Amino acid sequence: KQEVTQIPAALSVPEGENLVLNCSFTDSAIYNLQWFRQDPGKGLTSLLLIQSSQREQTSGRLNASLDKSSGRSTLYIAASQPGDSATYLCAVRGYNNAGNMLTFGGGTRLMVKP
Amino acid sequence: GAVVSQHPSWVICKSGTSVKIECRSLDFQATTMFWYRQFPKQSLMLMATSNEGSKATYEQGVEKDKFLINHASLTLSTLTVTSAHPEDSSFYICSARDTFPRQRYNEQFFGPGTRLTVL
Repeated sequence: KQEVTQIPAALSVPEGENLVLNCSFTDSAIYNLQWFRQDPGKGLTSLLLIQSSQREQTSGRLNASLDKSSGRSTLYIAASQPGDSATYLCAVRGYNNAGNMLTFGGGTRLMVKP
Repeated sequence: GAVVSQHPSWVICKSGTSVKIECRSLDFQATTMFWYRQFPKQSLMLMATSNEGSKATYEQGVEKDKFLINHASLTLSTLTVTSAHPEDSSFYICSARDTFPRQRYNEQFFGPGTRLTVL
């Protein structure tokens, strides 16, 4: 059974810092990996999706890497801003009879202080 | 594109009543929709996979008679929490997957969630 772990569980940093959020998964047989942002009481916003054949994806100040063999992904946030404060969720998409089930990590709650 | 809506956004009900939550794909057709539950400060847990025109597939530990799922069309899935109790209070999120063979077939698009509070 796939297990996804995110470290740290919570992070508080001053504005302007570069951040690294970590995600690890136990089963390397994944279809792809996705990073989401969730604001309090809200749904999920997809940030980046990395296919299993890719090593990284970039969008603006965000960069996500994937090392499938070691079961790890990192989300790099450059020049953090207070508006980046949210919970960041990592999810891996595996293979099952229902087709590409998503397994979520516990999330990292990020607080960026002005 | 790829917008998913949920209705209602929040609902408060008395213990013992049934609550229906709708999940709609607004600009695409979804043969498969997924229902998740999220307790405070916890991650999303998949409850069931809903396939248009067939019975839903429930995850282990999820009572299919309590959480009724109907996926009657390519744009609508409903989750009915029957005889709700306070322990069913949670944040329910749905997602939808576009139909094959679009490029985004394997990506799920998430709704904004429904906050259920059972008194």
